[in-house]
Amino acid sequence: GDSVTQMEGPVTLSEEAFLTINCTYTATGYPSLFWYVQYPGEGLQLLLKATKADDKGSNKGFEATYRKETTSFHLEKGSVQVSDSAVYFCALSGDYGNNRLAFGKGNQVVVIP
Amino acid sequence: GAGVSQTPSNKVTEKGKYVELRCDPISGHTALYWYRQSLGQGPEFLIYFQGTGAADDSGLPNDRFFAVRPEGSVSTLKIQRTERGDSAVYLCASSSSLGYEQFFGPGTRLTVL
Repeated sequence: GDSVTQMEGPVTLSEEAFLTINCTYTATGYPSLFWYVQYPGEGLQLLLKATKADDKGSNKGFEATYRKETTSFHLEKGSVQVSDSAVYFCALSGDYGNNRLAFGKGNQVVVIP
Repeated sequence: GAGVSQTPSNKVTEKGKYVELRCDPISGHTALYWYRQSLGQGPEFLIYFQGTGAADDSGLPNDRFFAVRPEGSVSTLKIQRTERGDSAVYLCASSSSLGYEQFFGPGTRLTVL
């Protein structure tokens, strides 16, 4: 079945550092790809999405490019802030006809002042 | 406007008991999803409603789990004969129609003792 794999372990970095979170996927057909974010004490929120190959999703300084050749959708931000501390989930929506989401395990990101 | 709401926010029950978890979607949203998130994992799909009908219940783990949405708005997830392995955060999401963003509620944390 369709699945999403995120890099293992939490990510700790200093303010203004460059952030990359790796995400790869396995899917049949042409899935849509998403990054969701969960800030402390809040519900899941859509951060960005891409619906076809080579699309770039962007929001709040974060970017991710849909790479079909490498089945990847890595999340990047050039200069993180303390307020970016959260859990980030990569997800896909496959050709099910109902847009249900398959999520990765998530990565805890901690930004230190 | 109001987002997706879920009640209760926390539920503690004993093994073997019956529980009901409620989801109030965003007004006018026709699609409703239930997911389950175990500790350290990403959300896993349980069931999807389009209107009043369960269009896809392939994610329900067994026949102890059941969900309804009788009037096409509020949904209730019902778990019979709860087991300790059912302990998780149960998330509800709604969207205006297929292909649109899913908006998530804050979740119900279920603990089975």
